[in-house]
Amino acid sequence: QQPVQSPQAVILREGEDAVINCSSSKALYSVHWYRQKHGEAPVFLMILLKGGEQKGHEKISASFNEKKQQSSLYLTASQLSYSGTYFCGTFANTNAGKSTFGDGTTLTVKP
Amino acid sequence: NAGVTQTPKFQVLKTGQSMTLQCAQDMNHEYMSWYRQDPGMGLRLIHYSVGAGITDQGEVPNGYNVSRSTTEDFPLRLLSAAPSQTSVYFCASSNRPNEKLFFGSGTQLSVL
Repeated sequence: QQPVQSPQAVILREGEDAVINCSSSKALYSVHWYRQKHGEAPVFLMILLKGGEQKGHEKISASFNEKKQQSSLYLTASQLSYSGTYFCGTFANTNAGKSTFGDGTTLTVKP
Repeated sequence: NAGVTQTPKFQVLKTGQSMTLQCAQDMNHEYMSWYRQDPGMGLRLIHYSVGAGITDQGEVPNGYNVSRSTTEDFPLRLLSAAPSQTSVYFCASSNRPNEKLFFGSGTQLSVL
């Protein structure tokens, strides 16, 4: 069963912050985050392993709550280049190699 | 480095035709996978492989076959194309399962 992402879409002004959530009904081993621009392939942002680890990449960071099987992606002081669709991909404890992806959150950053 | 190379970029098929989508990676990755992405949707796993000679089914395997005879190549075969298989197909690889996925540029397939 695929993870559920929320919100489905968000519109921001440059400099504003956003949070994108990813929830799974299954126990997870890891959560991946990718960004996809229209007509292009997904690009890796970060990966989180079970243990509540928080990772950061410039002004983008993420957390993973193992107890709730939830991950959140935080975009701080958004830039125009952040526009795109964000996907979370999950790998369960079992079925190593079998990933499931959410349906994405479309982020639009306006000047 | 070429990374993950997919061919062709675009393909139009008639219902019932068969074809093979090619995927090759030059990073010596053990894990490779195929996804399809329908408009406005996420990625759906079709098949994956954790090494040469080892393949397994993903979420949506029906109508597709794969084999992995070498570490570098992971072709996806459509046995008898159907309009429901119209989609964008992405191949991805990683050093191991659960690690960062590197995606190819995709193949846009239309089945008429």
